[in-house]
Amino acid sequence: DQQVKQNSPSLSVQEGRISILNCDYTNSMFDYFLWYKKYPAEGPTFLISISSIKDKNEDGRFTVFLNKSAKHLSLHIVPSQPGDSAVYFCAASATNQGGKLIFGQGTELSVKP
Amino acid sequence: EPEVTQTPSHQVTQMGQEVILRCVPISNHLYFYWYRQILGQKVEFLVSFYNNEISEKSEIFDDQFSVERPDGSNFTLKIRSTKLEDSAMYFCASSAETGSFYTFGSGTRLTVV
Repeated sequence: DQQVKQNSPSLSVQEGRISILNCDYTNSMFDYFLWYKKYPAEGPTFLISISSIKDKNEDGRFTVFLNKSAKHLSLHIVPSQPGDSAVYFCAASATNQGGKLIFGQGTELSVKP
Repeated sequence: EPEVTQTPSHQVTQMGQEVILRCVPISNHLYFYWYRQILGQKVEFLVSFYNNEISEKSEIFDDQFSVERPDGSNFTLKIRSTKLEDSAMYFCASSAETGSFYTFGSGTRLTVV
């Protein structure tokens, strides 16, 4: 039962361009969404989050968009930098279902100089 | 910046042996979690722990698994009799409140031979 899906296992972009990572979910009770970044042999690192009462949250080069009607969120990175190359995980939680994070499968982003 | 620490970073064990993975969560956090990631697969929820008891566990977390917070600082995951398929990266995480973002440790790579 994949409640959180990232359908693109990999994405390659040129340095300076925009990276757009997508995530879909099925559980309408999810009310908090997060993006984590993970380098090999390290734990996931929190990047940015958004609650269901918002449709956009911005932090520097990173912006997360939430479309509740489509059950879709996306992470935009602009401009992309080579150091952004990592695996990005979308995660979601439902406060009234215990609040545990459910992760997507991850998208490996490669930013080429 | 506060961090979650995990030891050891790598553990090799023989099938059937017991292993204990250790974690020191962030000191003022109240919620604790174990996740695992089998190589090439998604990050999977194992168990959440609050107020000295398990609040939720996944179907992966069977009778071979147990968690404990023995001394108010450590949070341990024990696998009683390891199987080859238990080989994975195990991540500990903690959060200040349910539904907020988790801080993950850097993981313990468990290899069962």
